[in-house]
Amino acid sequence: EAQVTQNPRYLITVTGKKLTVTCSQNMNHEYMSWYRQDPGLGLRQIYYSMNVEVTDKGDVPEGYKVSRKEKRNFPLILESPSPNQTSLYFCASGTGGDRYGYTFGSGTRLTVV
Amino acid sequence: GEDVEQSLFLSVREGDSSVINCTYTDSSSTYLYWYKQEPGAGLQLLTYIFSNMDMKQDQRLTVLLNKKDKHLSLRIADTQTGDSAIYFCAESIGGTSYDKVIFGPGTSLSVIP
Repeated sequence: EAQVTQNPRYLITVTGKKLTVTCSQNMNHEYMSWYRQDPGLGLRQIYYSMNVEVTDKGDVPEGYKVSRKEKRNFPLILESPSPNQTSLYFCASGTGGDRYGYTFGSGTRLTVV
Repeated sequence: GEDVEQSLFLSVREGDSSVINCTYTDSSSTYLYWYKQEPGAGLQLLTYIFSNMDMKQDQRLTVLLNKKDKHLSLRIADTQTGDSAIYFCAESIGGTSYDKVIFGPGTSLSVIP
């Protein structure tokens, strides 16, 4: 089944403790992206990647890191999480802005206390 | 600038038609999308319309595009309780190296039995 898999689904952590949210896709998509979803703000792009070893900042990259060492994986790293990073995070993959749109993962709900 | 706007809430009675509206600012959009997000899930592509089309119908869904006014709408006929979800409007904007997709804040549709 074609899908984007994120882990974990839920995560509660403390301020300053490094964490990684994993994202993997099995559709051989070149494009992958991370978004955060906050009430009333819609989806805001954090980072995106157009291919292996090619990443770029989205609209809200501060406090986040990503890497793209393999085509299928695009982990999101929070080196020193803060409470304002409490949010719902989505990974997405696709072939760009075409009629297929993006395929989204199920989301990771992160709480930083 | 790039911006997509939607009203945040819509409530309809079961069996009525729902109309969700969206406005966007970038006239160079190529594709426009409607995504559906059910509770606890990621976004799923519901339908799309290419920018040179005025209307697209897909079973109970009708998408209308007014390019002059930069207005997109999604009509759901015979709305059912299973249609309760958040609906995101999105536009694909052609760039020099990839097409960026901008999402609206989402409209939460509540269907009253």
